[in-house]
Amino acid sequence: AQSVTQLGSHVSVSEGALVLLRCNYSSSVPPYLFWYVQYPNQGLQLLLKYTSAATLVKGINGFEAEFKKSETSFHLTKPSAHMSDAAEYFCAVSAAGNKLTFGGGTRVLVKP
Amino acid sequence: GAVVSQHPSWVICKSGTSVKIECRSLDFQATTMFWYRQFPKQSLMLMATSNEGSKATYEQGVEKDKFLINHASLTLSTLTVTSAHPEDSSFYICSARAQQGGGELFFGEGSRLTVL
Repeated sequence: AQSVTQLGSHVSVSEGALVLLRCNYSSSVPPYLFWYVQYPNQGLQLLLKYTSAATLVKGINGFEAEFKKSETSFHLTKPSAHMSDAAEYFCAVSAAGNKLTFGGGTRVLVKP
Repeated sequence: GAVVSQHPSWVICKSGTSVKIECRSLDFQATTMFWYRQFPKQSLMLMATSNEGSKATYEQGVEKDKFLINHASLTLSTLTVTSAHPEDSSFYICSARAQQGGGELFFGEGSRLTVL
């Protein structure tokens, strides 16, 4: 069984500030972990993924995430928020690339 | 990157009618496609997994007679919402797994269904 918990359904950051979105997972097998972004009325776009290679994963748009097995976490960060980062972000887990289980999502609001 | 296209993007229908949503992988062959449902301000809930040429596998609680899934080719899967009711109104998203290239998942743009 697998599950994902995203801490905080809403995050508000100032433009230029650090973005930190928290994700903790549970998986009975070594997980594949993903972060997706969703803009209103659109599908999901992959930001980055962890598939058992380097624990620090760099993605698109300046985002990165670190896999910490001891903490069962895969938090997403971006050093400096842009207005265009305002969106919904989903963390997801899959076992060996099978079906994805999504977290509840975190909506990011960027203040000017 | 690979493209997955859904059609229609928006559909409004009367209660009791059936609606078909298409999911196409435009530049790759997809052995497996997934259908998700997303309620407003909520996460994606997996409805079913479809493999080309075989019956779809539905998640617990999803009515297979209500949500008919067909995966007739390696580039097309369809979801038909039969006898739609207002509670079926939702955002439906498909994703497709590439046959090659590590099996990465690509998502469609979503289809918003409103049942009056």
